[in-house]
Amino acid sequence: IQLTQSPSLLSASVGDRVTLSCKGSQNINNYLAWYQQKLGEAPKLLIYNTNSLQTGIPSRFSGSGSGTDYTLTISSLQPEDVATYFCYQYNNGDTFGAGTKLELK
Amino acid sequence: EVQLVESGGGLVQPGRSLKLSCAASGFTFSNYGMHWIRQAPTKGLEWVASISPSGGSTYYRDSVKGRFTISRDNAKSTLYLQMDSLRSEDTATYYCARTHYFDYWGQGVMVTVSS
Repeated sequence: IQLTQSPSLLSASVGDRVTLSCKGSQNINNYLAWYQQKLGEAPKLLIYNTNSLQTGIPSRFSGSGSGTDYTLTISSLQPEDVATYFCYQYNNGDTFGAGTKLELK
Repeated sequence: EVQLVESGGGLVQPGRSLKLSCAASGFTFSNYGMHWIRQAPTKGLEWVASISPSGGSTYYRDSVKGRFTISRDNAKSTLYLQMDSLRSEDTATYYCARTHYFDYWGQGVMVTVSS
């Protein structure tokens, strides 16, 4: 299964609602996770099984989707959210998306 | 607190070997599948290998099959990745991670394959 993330680069302002997309080449059956990677750090799990929030992750992060189309939403962008975001499917094999780099406008 | 600490990285010549370790603490290691994931410089993430909780089942990406071996010592709460016949394209930061959706990651260890 191939994963396509869009956009590859997103500029937004503090307080904006931000939506990141991840599309699979086949049905992912909700076995999708989202990770945040800040510069020089290891990735951190944000969301698993499409919409389950990992312990300790702020509630402004949420996930949704079904079939081949999935979304990560940040309800109100904070400065500390500047990072690259990766999606990952574990339904059929193991595939990461190429990432969306989120920067402040 | 769950902690994963990788070690064993470094600079190695093409064709040589290297063994990575991942020391786990803060959870019952023998209850969890474990994984290695890598990230080439300025590139995305790539799953490398996985091992079942008992160690009885292992899985590899095609490009490392026959060259890399994932293993674990549940008595020592340690995960390993034996990397043989290394190639320049194996140059990356290697992370160990827990469970099938990678809920916890180590800090990563750099492997550079170069002459």
